[in-house]
Amino acid sequence: ETGVTQTPRHLVMGMTNKKSLKCEQHLGHNAMYWYKQSAKKPLELMFVYNFKEQTENNSVPSRFSPECPNSSHLFLHLHTLQPEDSALYLCASSKNDQETQYFGPGTRLLVL
Amino acid sequence: SQELEQSPQSLIVQEGKNLTINCTSSKTLYGLYWYKQKYGEGLIFLMMLQKGGEEKSHEKITAKLDEKKQQSSLHITASQPSHAGIYLCGAEETSGSRLTFGEGTQLTVNP
Repeated sequence: ETGVTQTPRHLVMGMTNKKSLKCEQHLGHNAMYWYKQSAKKPLELMFVYNFKEQTENNSVPSRFSPECPNSSHLFLHLHTLQPEDSALYLCASSKNDQETQYFGPGTRLLVL
Repeated sequence: SQELEQSPQSLIVQEGKNLTINCTSSKTLYGLYWYKQKYGEGLIFLMMLQKGGEEKSHEKITAKLDEKKQQSSLHITASQPSHAGIYLCGAEETSGSRLTFGEGTQLTVNP
């Protein structure tokens, strides 16, 4: 247990569906991150939030929409995804955006 | 942009054997992180190295950062099946810069 939880752990959705991924951290951290991990590729940073403010959007398509209502929670809203968006989506948190990141278990997403 | 190359891509060893995984950067690093990942799960933080020549150990795992701060090695002594997983290195190019990750090394330890 790293103190970072993610739900759901697995998700199957059609291209017309709308779903949300949730991340919660119990570490008192102020920075939270979304990463995408695809097979045979390095982790790709998607978004960074520091003290609830988005500080980085790594050229992510608009069909991915992050939301950070407070420093403990981070959401990734998904709509009209493509099959190539199927991947493991990992959430991480850190004390601030320059400290060691601690990762959640990930959500395995399959887009049909 | 910074690129990290890990070698080998995969490694199969017999239980009890020692092994080394390498992570090489195209640029001088500010900080180097090692993580372990079980298949389909999150990353577990192992160690962070920042100073040239630095070496850290945790249980049977030792990580080193070379003097030039462009290469790190992760060494496991007397490997156990519990060491199996994917080892990823992540690097900061400058203070506060975002982590760049390598593709990972898949380690299998046969009993």
